[in-house]
Amino acid sequence: AQSVAQPEDQVNVAEGNPLTVKCTYSVSGNPYLFWYVQYPNRGLQFLLKYITGDNLVKGSYGFEAEFNKSQTSFHLKKPSALVSDSALYFCAANDYKLSFGAGTTVTVRA
Amino acid sequence: EPEVTQTPSHQVTQMGQEVILRCVPISNHLYFYWYRQILGQKVEFLVSFYNNEISEKSEIFDDQFSVERPDGSNFTLKIRSTKLEDSAMYFCASRAGTSGEQFFGPGTRLTVL
Repeated sequence: AQSVAQPEDQVNVAEGNPLTVKCTYSVSGNPYLFWYVQYPNRGLQFLLKYITGDNLVKGSYGFEAEFNKSQTSFHLKKPSALVSDSALYFCAANDYKLSFGAGTTVTVRA
Repeated sequence: EPEVTQTPSHQVTQMGQEVILRCVPISNHLYFYWYRQILGQKVEFLVSFYNNEISEKSEIFDDQFSVERPDGSNFTLKIRSTKLEDSAMYFCASRAGTSGEQFFGPGTRLTVL
């Protein structure tokens, strides 16, 4: 069985500051890991994925994520957050179907 | 850019009624999914569909649920007799290959009264 955990329900940062959204995973075999973002009343938008290769993955809108096998983590990061990054972020693991974390609400204040 | 579309955006129905939620996946994708998100909760997998048959389903996907790909473009989710607890946002998703990302539609908000 596979699962992901997002230990923080909410993350609050000031605009221009670094943003980190945490995710840990538990999967059998090689993990396929994803980050999605959901804006109010919208669907899920793909941000980035880790399949294999470099541990640092770059994605859309300036986001990146670092895969850490020893810590079984896949934290999402952005060096300088924008107010428009305020949204609900989901980490997910893929074993043919996606298993989502509970989500982390990010609020970036001006 | 191709996208997954879903209709209707909002469906209100009475308990016990049948509803059909419709999705048009991205045209060259081979794997299709339905997920749901109850308000304030995480996104839950319902069912996956490949090669014209269900490949996997969750415990949520009981006999009241069915999926169909009636033609080359549509992918539908039917709930035969809706219950209050079926109220949720239902997302359709599609994927081209086995390891790529899934692309999600905007969702259908189902409200059962």
